[in-house]
Amino acid sequence: GAVVSQHPSWVICKSGTSVKIECRSLDFQATTMFWYRQFPKQSLMLMATSNEGSKATYEQGVEKDKFLINHASLTLSTLTVTSAHPEDSSFYICSARGWREDYEQYFGPGTRLTVT
Amino acid sequence: KQEVTQIPAALSVPEGENLVLNCSFTDSAIYNLQWFRQDPGKGLTSLLLIQSSQREQTSGRLNASLDKSSGRSTLYIAASQPGDSATYLCAVRWRMKTSYDKVIFGPGTSLSVIP
Repeated sequence: GAVVSQHPSWVICKSGTSVKIECRSLDFQATTMFWYRQFPKQSLMLMATSNEGSKATYEQGVEKDKFLINHASLTLSTLTVTSAHPEDSSFYICSARGWREDYEQYFGPGTRLTVT
Repeated sequence: KQEVTQIPAALSVPEGENLVLNCSFTDSAIYNLQWFRQDPGKGLTSLLLIQSSQREQTSGRLNASLDKSSGRSTLYIAASQPGDSATYLCAVRWRMKTSYDKVIFGPGTSLSVIP
């Protein structure tokens, strides 16, 4: 199957700083990318959906000014957590899908963010 | 409003047993449904993807069925092994009136297979 990578796999940052997480589709062009957040012992919650070259669509309750999403190319999307706080500590997972609607959604391995 | 639920929340079985995990969803107009496995602290591994026009998919010891009209999917695991121990998530995809799809995950079933 297709491969989606995330970098970094884990990151620790201080409260008030910003952190950028990268999501790359390695062997296909990802026209649509998704960002999810997973708190301990909970399921994945969709944060936002983005199409290449367009602004992301955020789910209700997700602050777009805090979680900046950029999908500037067909193989790269970035999530920047601005002014991070300890409550932003979570497991962030991206997924990517090709241009066909019935294409499977492929998931990255996730990034564990810890804000101290 | 689209929602996805899974029962049971946790399941513990002896090795060798056949077992069934359940996923229910509101709004039967789904696009597809996907089952995933997640090991502790890890990302997701896709197991089976069922399109809305399909009724089941099989891969090895796994069989997933879909009944859109009743809003249900089941994941059947045959001859369970300790290595099957993980959290199993179902994810349902809907087409929205906007150009974006919506994928909602269920809360998961935590499976423990006892040797």
